[in-house]
Amino acid sequence: AQKVTQAQTEISVVEKEDVTLDCVYETRDTTYYLFWYKQPPSGELVFLIRRNSFDEQNEISGRYSWNFQKSTSSFNFTITASQVVDSAVYFCALSERENYGQNFVFGPGTRLSVLP
Amino acid sequence: DAGVIQSPRHEVTEMGQEVTLRCKPISGHDYLFWYRQTMMRGLELLIYFNNNVPIDDSGMPEDRFSAKMPNASFSTLKIQPSEPRDSAVYFCASSPIGVVNTEAFFGQGTRLTVV
Repeated sequence: AQKVTQAQTEISVVEKEDVTLDCVYETRDTTYYLFWYKQPPSGELVFLIRRNSFDEQNEISGRYSWNFQKSTSSFNFTITASQVVDSAVYFCALSERENYGQNFVFGPGTRLSVLP
Repeated sequence: DAGVIQSPRHEVTEMGQEVTLRCKPISGHDYLFWYRQTMMRGLELLIYFNNNVPIDDSGMPEDRFSAKMPNASFSTLKIQPSEPRDSAVYFCASSPIGVVNTEAFFGQGTRLTVV
């Protein structure tokens, strides 16, 4: 069965520090997709990134970067020069291809607090 | 597009009452998901539909829960009878067909409190 682990329950950093959120996944499929979502205090879930299992290139988007390593089944997320607005719960998710649909499984989330 | 629309945003009900949560997916999206979020269990997939057909309802906790999608633009999640342990935030999400395993777009959620 597919599974996503986010070992860090809560992280606190001071503004401008870099922070890395860990995500480790388990799947028996060779084709799968990984996602990161942000849930700010307002409660909505905001999509950040999608990565398929055939693309191990790291990605950078502004202050955000993602490191996908199939060898360690990890998809880590780094925020550079963190800001107070980055305070949120961050979820890593995994989706495997099924016959007629897709099934998202979310990790437990990491609560990031960025202090001024 | 207005995004995924859920109603109501907040619902407070007494134990034993029937509760109906509503969702309007993004137009053109053929997948619809219902999730429940609690502190103890995190985000759990309850059920998802493809082209209005339920594909996997293995996450539905018990027979008190039921979900329908009578057409492409509307879905309901019903709890009857409701219990205090059903208190949670319920999210609806949709994703488009034709793009393999694309991201799901989430609604604002319905915060359900059963007293």
